[in-house]
Amino acid sequence: NAGVTQTPKFQVLKTGQSMTLQCAQDMNHEYMSWYRQDPGMGLRLIHYSVGAGITDQGEVPNGYNVSRSTTEDFPLRLLSAAPSQTSVYFCASSYSGSGLNSPLHFGNGTRLTVT
Amino acid sequence: AQTVTQSQPEMSVQEAETVTLSCTYDTSESDYYLFWYKQPPSRQMILVIRQEAYKQQNATENRFSVNFQKAAKSFSLKISDSQLGDAAMYFCAYDQGGSEKLVFGKGTKLTVNP
Repeated sequence: NAGVTQTPKFQVLKTGQSMTLQCAQDMNHEYMSWYRQDPGMGLRLIHYSVGAGITDQGEVPNGYNVSRSTTEDFPLRLLSAAPSQTSVYFCASSYSGSGLNSPLHFGNGTRLTVT
Repeated sequence: AQTVTQSQPEMSVQEAETVTLSCTYDTSESDYYLFWYKQPPSRQMILVIRQEAYKQQNATENRFSVNFQKAAKSFSLKISDSQLGDAAMYFCAYDQGGSEKLVFGKGTKLTVNP
């Protein structure tokens, strides 16, 4: 199993550009989520999904869109990038149960810079 | 909203010694879970240990153990026999009732001196 795979690892965008951060997992996990990590901050939840076709907002959803058409994939879209979106983005997944029986598995992150 | 506070931005420990990282959280709920994650320079997030709030017994994983004080809303991590590979950022995280929506503290950077 590859686990949680995020692409790309690094990305530089100009203000106003759009892009999609990809996240895929091969563990048949129902739950997937996106976090951002800023310097001096912990991870903050952007969006999450409890299953295909179901998404919801986290703590910092503004400027981001998500969809969940398959169990495996959970892309994060930036429609019009802003410098404030410069961050490291993590995708995570779990089977269920808050890590009790299946821990939250994280991808290796995408470092995004918006100039 | 729940908050997680890690009051020690940086800590250092000598190899083979013991270090304790502090974490406090704020919640009015009774059903929740607490976690410690390790983030080495590789950026990978690694689960170190987890604690269910309904369990009075403190969780232990090899050299890692927690001191869970529910009334005080405190959840500290003790690392025994510290090793050079323990050097990393450590994040405390809170999960309300299995919601899978983790709230993280700002982290503690641990340095292990040889």
